[in-house]
Amino acid sequence: GAGVSQTPSNKVTEKGKYVELRCDPISGHTALYWYRQSLGQGPEFLIYFQGTGAADDSGLPNDRFFAVRPEGSVSTLKIQRTERGDSAVYLCASSLRSQGGTQYFGPGTRLLVL
Amino acid sequence: QQQVKQSPQSLIVQKGGISIINCAYENTAFDYFPWYQQFPGKGPALLIAIRPDVSEKKEGRFTISFNKSAKQFSLHIMDSQPGDSATYFCAANKAAGNKLTFGGGTRVLVKP
Repeated sequence: GAGVSQTPSNKVTEKGKYVELRCDPISGHTALYWYRQSLGQGPEFLIYFQGTGAADDSGLPNDRFFAVRPEGSVSTLKIQRTERGDSAVYLCASSLRSQGGTQYFGPGTRLLVL
Repeated sequence: QQQVKQSPQSLIVQKGGISIINCAYENTAFDYFPWYQQFPGKGPALLIAIRPDVSEKKEGRFTISFNKSAKQFSLHIMDSQPGDSATYFCAANKAAGNKLTFGGGTRVLVKP
């Protein structure tokens, strides 16, 4: 595709449920990033993949959050036992190389936990 | 811990005017400073970026000014247009790292 795509675009769930958010990076981009953006704030880093491995997961808020990228392309962010405070826009970005590469962002998934 | 502080939170400018957004950072290891533009319902898009070996970078109507000693950098939007109405984020990164640290954002409204 031409850009980073994310699905679903919107997700409404109930407190305590499990959700999966998907990111398709730009073809050929080896680095993939997840950020979380709360209303009226700047994006906050969650996790970074170089290839299939998570090179930096220091931004994951707790062990309810987990992300995978099994084949080095598509990534899934998984949130267990969702809480109302998890409501935010989850942004995915990819870059051609791991260091110094421009990060291109997808449109985000808007998660609302009721 | 807010490593990149951005101001103002919002600004209104007349068409043709200059929009100025300021950012200050704390971590001296940062050496890449991009600005992103975000429209409602969209992801951030890279606008312009600078490294600390230069004090100014200009691309079209957008200019970044960088003051390494003060640990500050700013975005100037010249001849502001209604289509520039968006939220602008400054960010910072370390060459040896990858994660961007964003400022809180500035919502710019350009009145026709």
